[in-house]
Formats: sequence, structure tokens, C-alpha cells
Amino acid sequence: AQKITQTQPGMFVQEKEAVTLDCTYDTSDPSYGLFWYKQPSSGEMIFLIYQGSYDQQNATEGRYSLNFQKARKSANLVISASQLGDSAMYFCAMRGYFGNEKLTFGTGTRLTIIP
Amino acid sequence: DTEVTQTPKHLVMGMTNKKSLKCEQHMGHRAMYWYKQKAKKPPELMFVYSYEKLSINESVPSRFSPECPNSSLLNLHLHALQPEDSALYLCASTLQGATNEKLFFGSGTQLSVL
Repeated sequence: AQKITQTQPGMFVQEKEAVTLDCTYDTSDPSYGLFWYKQPSSGEMIFLIYQGSYDQQNATEGRYSLNFQKARKSANLVISASQLGDSAMYFCAMRGYFGNEKLTFGTGTRLTIIP
Repeated sequence: DTEVTQTPKHLVMGMTNKKSLKCEQHMGHRAMYWYKQKAKKPPELMFVYSYEKLSINESVPSRFSPECPNSSLLNLHLHALQPEDSALYLCASTLQGATNEKLFFGSGTQLSVL
């Protein structure tokens, strides 16, 4: 079984500041994938970034980077130079090696960027 | 074309109605998903189709009936729903369902059951 924990229900961040969204996970699978999705108020789930459990380097996608600490089972999302359009719900998600079709989500963090 | 298209965007139905949600993708993806999302909650997996065959059913009540008529189309048939079934229903697809493949999501159908 897989479990994703996001401990920050809501965050307020000043525009142009960097922000870190926390995610910890638990799994017994030998390999797994970690994802971050953004969900604006419109409802669509937007893929941000992916990290494989055997990837040696932390993933980066533009302003998004993933701080992956495998021993601590954490996969925090870092957004640099936040923008007003970053205000949304952010979900950490995980897919394991066994039964790997299933993507399991954490409870999410509501991020609000303050001008 | 990198889109997953869901119709309708909004649906209001009574508890005795029969309705269907439709999901379509033309990316050649062979794994398709239905998720249910209640307000302020994460999406919860309902069904997974892999190569047009149902591979995962997360103990969903029989009033929800999925169908995958071909590799591009996924339907969710609704019958005798309850008010607590009101939610955002999200469809998603991925190439084959491998561990490293991201899911492409549609914009969802907001369902209200009266």
C-alpha cells in the first residue's frame, strides 16, 4: 500500500518569493514515481514535475524543482519566484511498481500568492 | 493533440435519471482512468481501463458503470445516483500505465444529484 502525506493545508506567500510545499510518502515497492499536480479553481489537473525513485538528480521543470530525499521519503516541490497565477491547489501523487496503473494523491496544499 | 476532452462540463440529474459522462483522447494512450473528487478533497480512483479492459475497480457502487468502447473513448454510465455522489468527475489517460508516465487529465464534469 502507498501513502502520501501533505501536512500544509494552506500557505500564503508573497509574490516573487520562493515557496516549498512538503510531501512525504510511504511505500514498500522497490521502485516508484512521484508526481506533482496543480489544480486551479477551474478544476483541471495540470502536471508539473516527475521524479523517479532511481533518478540520481533532482527533477527540474522551469520554475519548478523537486527536492527528493529518498532516505527521508520526502519529495518537496519548490517554486521559485512565485507569481499570482501560481495560486491553486497542489497535489503530490505517487505510483508504485506493483499495480502501477494506480496514481494515489495526497490531501493537497492550497497555495495563495499575495501581491 | 495532447488533450483529454470531457463532456458535459456540468450535469444536474435527479436520483431516478440515467445519464452518461464521456471522455475522449486521441493521443494513442492505452490506459484510461475515472477519478471522483469531492470539494476540497484529493481525487479518488474509481476505475482503470488498460487496453480497453477493466483492470481496476476500486469497489465502486454498481450505480456507476464504466465502458470503454474503443481505445479513444471512455464512458461512465450513471443510474439511480444519490446526492452524496455529487462531485467533480475527472477522466485521465496515460500511454500504457507504466510507473514513470504522467497522467493527462480532462477538465472534468461537475455533477450535481438532486
